[in-house]
Amino acid sequence: QAVVTQEPSLTVSPGGTVTLTCGSSTGAVTSGHYPYWFQQRPGQAPRTLIYDISNKNSWTPARFSGSLLGGKAALTLSGAQPEDEAEYYCLLSYSGIGIFGGGTRLTVL
Amino acid sequence: EVQLLESGGGLVQSGGSLRLSCAASGFTFSSYGMSWVRQAPGKGLEWVSAIIGSVYTTYYADSVKGRFTISRDNSMDTLYLQMNSLRVEDTAVYYCAKGRGISATAPDSWGQGTLLTVSS
Repeated sequence: QAVVTQEPSLTVSPGGTVTLTCGSSTGAVTSGHYPYWFQQRPGQAPRTLIYDISNKNSWTPARFSGSLLGGKAALTLSGAQPEDEAEYYCLLSYSGIGIFGGGTRLTVL
Repeated sequence: EVQLLESGGGLVQSGGSLRLSCAASGFTFSSYGMSWVRQAPGKGLEWVSAIIGSVYTTYYADSVKGRFTISRDNSMDTLYLQMNSLRVEDTAVYYCAKGRGISATAPDSWGQGTLLTVSS
């Protein structure tokens, strides 16, 4: 079974920019992995921010964007806000089977 | 508005069985893939299972394959997860999720979750 890797923790200054990445043990992440990104605040259910690499839901703030970068899926936050402090998870699909990354704890400080 | 309401969680002994339900509303249930995702206390998210398509193709994580069965009743707009041979490590909040389309195994809209505790 594949392993999906994320940075365990990152810190960004208010108003700053940070990029979270999502890698696959099987090789480069491609569009065929249909990368998703989720945000989870403490005590809350996750919510989906990005689907299929770079598409946003209606509730996704414009400051979030998704891409493929250097063989990984990437989530970029430009202009961080205090409310962006949360856990972020990516999900990759392997022939229909989903595998989450371990999550990145993002601190806005 | 999409609403997903999980139920059926609780306390069960190791080796036991339980069935989770997810009542869906606010969308045409039969037109979307549905999935279950779980989160053990203090841990990350784990994709568990999905059911997609008009012929109800199912997918399972290796950790639950052979023990869990996902199903749906489109006449009742309800998703199920039958869990057998439960283990302590199955203890988690179980989230029901709607996909973006009929073939989607990934979660897009989420319920609030139901807690399953498996005791030894």
